[in-house]
Amino acid sequence: DQQVKQNSPSLSVQEGRISILNCDYTNSMFDYFLWYKKYPAEGPTFLISISSIKDKNEDGRFTVFLNKSAKHLSLHIVPSQPGDSAVYFCAASAPNTDKLIFGTGTRLQVFP
Amino acid sequence: DGGITQSPKYLFRKEGQNVTLSCEQNLNHDAMYWYRQDPGQGLRLIYYSQIVNDFQKGDIAEGYSVSREKKESFPLTVTSAQKNPTAFYLCASSIQQNYGYTFGSGTRLTVV
Repeated sequence: DQQVKQNSPSLSVQEGRISILNCDYTNSMFDYFLWYKKYPAEGPTFLISISSIKDKNEDGRFTVFLNKSAKHLSLHIVPSQPGDSAVYFCAASAPNTDKLIFGTGTRLQVFP
Repeated sequence: DGGITQSPKYLFRKEGQNVTLSCEQNLNHDAMYWYRQDPGQGLRLIYYSQIVNDFQKGDIAEGYSVSREKKESFPLTVTSAQKNPTAFYLCASSIQQNYGYTFGSGTRLTVV
């Protein structure tokens, strides 16, 4: 049972345009959400997070939006750069647990 | 520099042999985790440990074993009982109640 889903396995965007990566979840107990970026043969690195008490969090070119009623979050990258090409994982956590549940990942390719 | 180290980066083993993957952290993090990454399946939790001498099974613990004798170390043994051991293995650590994981660079295990 996949509690965190990333339905788009890949996304291709032109440099300078906006990249939008989507993530859906099924567990209404989740209260903290994160995005990680992963290059091949490396470990994921933390990108940005959002608590369920917020609906938006911004950090430079990266913005995460949370729609609790739809159980949906999205990561916006603007403007997209070739160095953003990587696999992006969303992850979620429930209260009083250290475990993160990861989605299946979306491979973003930013082309010139 | 603080960080989390996985070794080796690549590991080859014959079918039927047990193999142990190393994970060491000097971040003074209490919690440590092992994930497995397979194409199209994201990151799946194998085992995790919140304190020394204690660990819990994750979603896919069958065929794996761990120990946590020291805070800094969380080795994972892939036993011959694991049916599909070839994968990319990621170790992570976090401060208790802090949801940001720090990941190692991973070990790619190939069983032939």
